[in-house]
Amino acid sequence: GENVEQHPSTLSVQEGDSAVIKCTYSDSASNYFPWYKQELGKRPQLIIDIRSNVGEKKDQRIAVTLNKTAKHFSLHITETQPEDSAVYFCAAPGAAGNKLTFGGGTRVLVKP
Amino acid sequence: GAVVSQHPSWVICKSGTSVKIECRSLDFQATTMFWYRQFPKQSLMLMATSNEGSKATYEQGVEKDKFLINHASLTLSTLTVTSAHPEDSSFYICSARVDRRDTQYFGPGTRLTVL
Repeated sequence: GENVEQHPSTLSVQEGDSAVIKCTYSDSASNYFPWYKQELGKRPQLIIDIRSNVGEKKDQRIAVTLNKTAKHFSLHITETQPEDSAVYFCAAPGAAGNKLTFGGGTRVLVKP
Repeated sequence: GAVVSQHPSWVICKSGTSVKIECRSLDFQATTMFWYRQFPKQSLMLMATSNEGSKATYEQGVEKDKFLINHASLTLSTLTVTSAHPEDSSFYICSARVDRRDTQYFGPGTRLTVL
């Protein structure tokens, strides 16, 4: 099955700085890569996703890049704000595509 | 759009009792629903995949006789934790999607505490 590794596990940044989270996956057949944000005690919410036919996608302060050759994808948050503080999860579906395997999560703290 | 609800949001029960958690897609029909368990400060661990009208597919290590899943309609799936024990205490989250190309949308989760 798919194996997803996520780094770093914790990330502390100063407000206004950028944050980058990286995930690697094992199954080259994976073709969909979502990122979820989860605040304490709440549901994971999709913030951005990318499919394997594109290398980069941007939505305001958030961007995701995908390197299929190296089997890794990254989340970039620019101009971080305190409300960006949360746990972020990446995921990949594997060859079957019928379920998602999640990374271990990154706890982001944006210091004012 | 794409709203998923869960009920109850939290439940406390005695050891040995059974607890049922409902997951509903409110504004779309979900061919597939997923059940996850999340322990504090940990990632989402998939327990089972549920397709409407068929038996659920359980992940390795998940006891299907303990975690009963029913997906009776395109908008409702239920998870029943049978004979719950303290080690079953966790945050249970469901998600739903329309088809394989679609995003998974998560419910708000149910916090189960077994005394």
